[in-house]
Amino acid sequence: EAGVAQSPRYKIIEKRQSVAFWCNPISGHATLYWYQQILGQGPKLLIQFQNNGVVDDSQLPKDRFSAERLKGVDSTLKIQPAKLEDSAVYLCASSPRGGTNGEQYFGPGTRLTVT
Amino acid sequence: AQSVTQPDIHITVSEGASLELRCNYSYGATPYLFWYVQSPGQGLQLLLKYFSGDTLVQGIKGFEAEFKRSQSSFNLRKPSVHWSDAAEYFCAVGAAAGNKLTFGGGTRVLVKP
Repeated sequence: EAGVAQSPRYKIIEKRQSVAFWCNPISGHATLYWYQQILGQGPKLLIQFQNNGVVDDSQLPKDRFSAERLKGVDSTLKIQPAKLEDSAVYLCASSPRGGTNGEQYFGPGTRLTVT
Repeated sequence: AQSVTQPDIHITVSEGASLELRCNYSYGATPYLFWYVQSPGQGLQLLLKYFSGDTLVQGIKGFEAEFKRSQSSFNLRKPSVHWSDAAEYFCAVGAAAGNKLTFGGGTRVLVKP
């Protein structure tokens, strides 16, 4: 089966610009996650969707970050306006079901550089 | 709140030698524990997981981990490393409900020939 797809793989923007990332989870996976991985750190959850509803967005900087999963399948994460500290790898993951085994499958990530 | 500590930022090991990566967690209930590996430019790949039962779990690529509740630890081991094991390794803890994962800071493994 196909894995989690993400695009673009790399993006360079200037501060105060906007950027959007796209994720297509594994087919049939109800739960989708966006993580931010700053260089030298472990991934940090930004937002979790169950189908098209938000389960957890407690660590999402809502003044500049937004995410949606309108049809319960693919998802977009947007940053507007970007700051230098947003430079990171943005990982998307999906899980076949919530609340039981916790196993998540990760995409290759989008590396964002803000200059 | 759940948290994970990986005390070793870097480990260098010779090819063929054994490897042990440390992981300590903090979680109020029975944790769901995971080890992931990340090669340069790649996403995270699951090596193994522990939910319950036998405290010694086997994973892919010859890795194993042992859950020790008394020490709040979930250390990863491999008897004989290969050059392809050079990567960054992340320990993570999850809740039984909701699947939110909290990751440690990672341990970068370098393999000397």
